[in-house]
Amino acid sequence: AQSVTQPDIHITVSEGASLELRCNYSYGATPYLFWYVQSPGQGLQLLLKYFSGDTLVQGIKGFEAEFKRSQSSFNLRKPSVHWSDAAEYFCAARNAGNNRKLIWGLGTSLAVNP
Amino acid sequence: GAGVSQSPSNKVTEKGKDVELRCDPISGHTALYWYRQSLGQGLEFLIYFQGNSAPDKSGLPSDRFSAERTGGSVSTLTIQRTQQEDSAVYLCASSFTGTGNTGELFFGEGSRLTVL
Repeated sequence: AQSVTQPDIHITVSEGASLELRCNYSYGATPYLFWYVQSPGQGLQLLLKYFSGDTLVQGIKGFEAEFKRSQSSFNLRKPSVHWSDAAEYFCAARNAGNNRKLIWGLGTSLAVNP
Repeated sequence: GAGVSQSPSNKVTEKGKDVELRCDPISGHTALYWYRQSLGQGLEFLIYFQGNSAPDKSGLPSDRFSAERTGGSVSTLTIQRTQQEDSAVYLCASSFTGTGNTGELFFGEGSRLTVL
């Protein structure tokens, strides 16, 4: 069955430290991949997406993600975390084509220490 | 408005009552989704509308849940005979599916439902 796994439920980092949030997928073919962020009390906002081509994608707020087919991964990274990055991060995937139903990971909660 | 609008933002109801949650998507977005987010959980897909096609209702947890989308725009999610386990944040999202679409979903801020 298709699935998206975010192995880390909760991560705490210090402000200014680097960040990597893990996402693994299980699909028959390479899916479209997304990272969304949800700040407290807010809806979700798209950070970045991968459809095809360059496996390193840049997003908003200084985030980037790398698609690695061999590892079925799409990990999110940021070189230097800011206190405002504290939020819930969701990885999602869907099949290429007309089926637009997304499969979501359970999310990773990020806390940032001053 | 410029974004996805959901109402009410908060709803407290008594067990057994019916509730209606409304979603006003971004103008021109033909796809509309409802998700449920329980405390500490990920997003649970409920239902998906795409243009004039039959909706994908595969995520509705029981027949107490229903949704409609009138005129291809505003959508209403109805929960009948609410139960305490229905307490959650209900998120609506819309997306543009025409030429040049990016696949991005635009989310509302959600309707928080509390069933006492």
